[in-house]
Amino acid sequence: AQSVTQPDIHITVSEGASLELRCNYSYGATPYLFWYVQSPGQGLQLLLKYFSGDTLVQGIKGFEAEFKRSQSSFNLRKPSVHWSDAAEYFCAVGATDSWGKLQFGAGTQVVVTP
Amino acid sequence: GAGVSQSPSNKVTEKGKDVELRCDPISGHTALYWYRQSLGQGLEFLIYFQGNSAPDKSGLPSDRFSAERTGGSVSTLTIQRTQQEDSAVYLCASSLVHYGYTFGSGTRLTVV
Repeated sequence: AQSVTQPDIHITVSEGASLELRCNYSYGATPYLFWYVQSPGQGLQLLLKYFSGDTLVQGIKGFEAEFKRSQSSFNLRKPSVHWSDAAEYFCAVGATDSWGKLQFGAGTQVVVTP
Repeated sequence: GAGVSQSPSNKVTEKGKDVELRCDPISGHTALYWYRQSLGQGLEFLIYFQGNSAPDKSGLPSDRFSAERTGGSVSTLTIQRTQQEDSAVYLCASSLVHYGYTFGSGTRLTVV
């Protein structure tokens, strides 16, 4: 069965500093990989996704993620965070033989300090 | 509409009562999904509908949960005999293309 692990429940980062959120997955083949962001009172918004091809994926809001098959990881990065990046971030995986059912990690809460 | 609409946005119900949660997907989206987000947890898949195919109900936690989608559009998630552990945010998403989700803002259900 597929699973998703986000090891960090909570991360505090200073505004302007870099951010990296970890995501590890367990799946029999290369799954589809996603990062979503959920701001307070907002719905979930897709930041980026990986289906195949280039393992470094660019997303919205200056985020990028790198797929590393050997480590079963799909970590999310941003070089310089803004106060508006404070939110909860979810990694998700989807089976390549499914029409769209996603398995989500438990989320990482990001706090941005001045 | 422009987005996925869910109603009500908040629902407080007494333990043992039935509740209905509504999702109005983006027009033309053939796939519709329900997820549950409990406090401090990630999203838990409940059910999805794809066109005229039989729904995938594999995520429904018990037979108290059911969902239907009428006319390939609006969906209703029904929880019978609600329990306190049913308290959560219920999120709906619709999609036209493979994994192209648009999420609604959710219904926050509180069972007292």
